[in-house]
Amino acid sequence: EAQVTQNPRYLITVTGKKLTVTCSQNMNHEYMSWYRQDPGLGLRQIYYSMNVEVTDKGDVPEGYKVSRKEKRNFPLILESPSPNQTSLYFCASSFRQKDYEQYFGPGTRLTVT
Amino acid sequence: GENVEQHPSTLSVQEGDSAVIKCTYSDSASNYFPWYKQELGKGPQLIIDIRSNVGEKKDQRIAVTLNKTAKHFSLHITETQPEDSAVYFCAAIFSGDSSYKLIFGSGTRLLVRP
Repeated sequence: EAQVTQNPRYLITVTGKKLTVTCSQNMNHEYMSWYRQDPGLGLRQIYYSMNVEVTDKGDVPEGYKVSRKEKRNFPLILESPSPNQTSLYFCASSFRQKDYEQYFGPGTRLTVT
Repeated sequence: GENVEQHPSTLSVQEGDSAVIKCTYSDSASNYFPWYKQELGKGPQLIIDIRSNVGEKKDQRIAVTLNKTAKHFSLHITETQPEDSAVYFCAAIFSGDSSYKLIFGSGTRLLVRP
């Protein structure tokens, strides 16, 4: 089954404790992206990757890191999480970067206390 | 700057009525305007998209219209059903020489009353 998977689905952590949210897709997609969803703000792009070893900042990159060492994986790293990073996070992928459907993962709900 | 505005934020309709959600975008948008539906506890899913070379596109009970001159596009759902209840997001691509961003609107929560 073609899909985007994220782990963990739920995470509660404390300020400053490094964490990684994994994202994997099995569709051989070139483009992958991370979004955060907050009430009233819709989905905001954090980082995106057009292909292996190619990443770029989205609209809200502060406090996040990403890497794209393999085509299928695109982990999101929070080196020192803060409470304002409490949010619902989605990973997405698409075949190419321009005007192709993005497939979203099921989401990761992160709470930073 | 790159911006997509979406209205209304909430919409309640009677089953069988139509629902319309409107979005406007800022300058320099690209040529691709997708609409996503997000059901409770799930990630967004594409329901329809439109490219700037057409003014309207239909898929059964769903239609999208685009007015590039006025920089707005709309989602129309006819004969609404309870399973249409969800959050709907419009989006627009903003692309440069080496960048590509999909900017989303703030979302519309649609409630279809049985």
